[in-house]
Amino acid sequence: DIVLTQSPTTLSLSPGERATLSCRASQSISSYLGWYQQKPGQAPRLLIYDTSNRATGIPARFSGSGSGTAFTLTISSLEPEDSAVYYCQQRSKWPTFGQGTKVEIK
Amino acid sequence: EVQLVESGGGLVQPGGSLRLSCVASGFTFSGYWMHWVRQLPGKRLEWVARIDADGSIPSYADSVKGRFTISRDNAKNTLYLHMNSLRDEDTAVYYCARDSHQATVAKYVQHWGQGALVTVSS
Repeated sequence: DIVLTQSPTTLSLSPGERATLSCRASQSISSYLGWYQQKPGQAPRLLIYDTSNRATGIPARFSGSGSGTAFTLTISSLEPEDSAVYYCQQRSKWPTFGQGTKVEIK
Repeated sequence: EVQLVESGGGLVQPGGSLRLSCVASGFTFSGYWMHWVRQLPGKRLEWVARIDADGSIPSYADSVKGRFTISRDNAKNTLYLHMNSLRDEDTAVYYCARDSHQATVAKYVQHWGQGALVTVSS
């Protein structure tokens, strides 16, 4: 299986700051990477698909970039409601998820 | 509005069996890949199984291959997961999920059910 490694484990930032989350794949996955947001007690929500495409209804402050084995999710200006765990997922081979990055809002 | 409603979770002994069902509404069920994704107690997400729109291409994670069977009834807008030979490590919240795109290949999960808790314990 393709292993996705996310960093950092936890990110603690203030409202209005920029958040940069990383996801690295154990082998090239082209652009076949998505990002999800999960809040406590809820199912994950798709934010980004195929590296840089925002899913329906996702605010423009969320953006994705990368290719091959290195990918980034950027939240340009954090809102209090962005406090959540963020997972990356690849679909190049059998789908796998990263272990998650927790974003805390100070 | 897309809705996915799971049922069939519960407590089962190791080696036992369970069947999860998921009734879909609010979209053309027969047009989408469908998936089962589980979230383990430590919050790790694992893709368990998926099936194409007409039910002819089921596929499985190595961890469940030979023990779990995914199927669908497009006439009833229902997705199933038959789980046999259950192990302690199968304990998780199981999500029924709809693919993000109406396509010939599986992509991502756009819609999720509320989750069904399966606990395997003696």
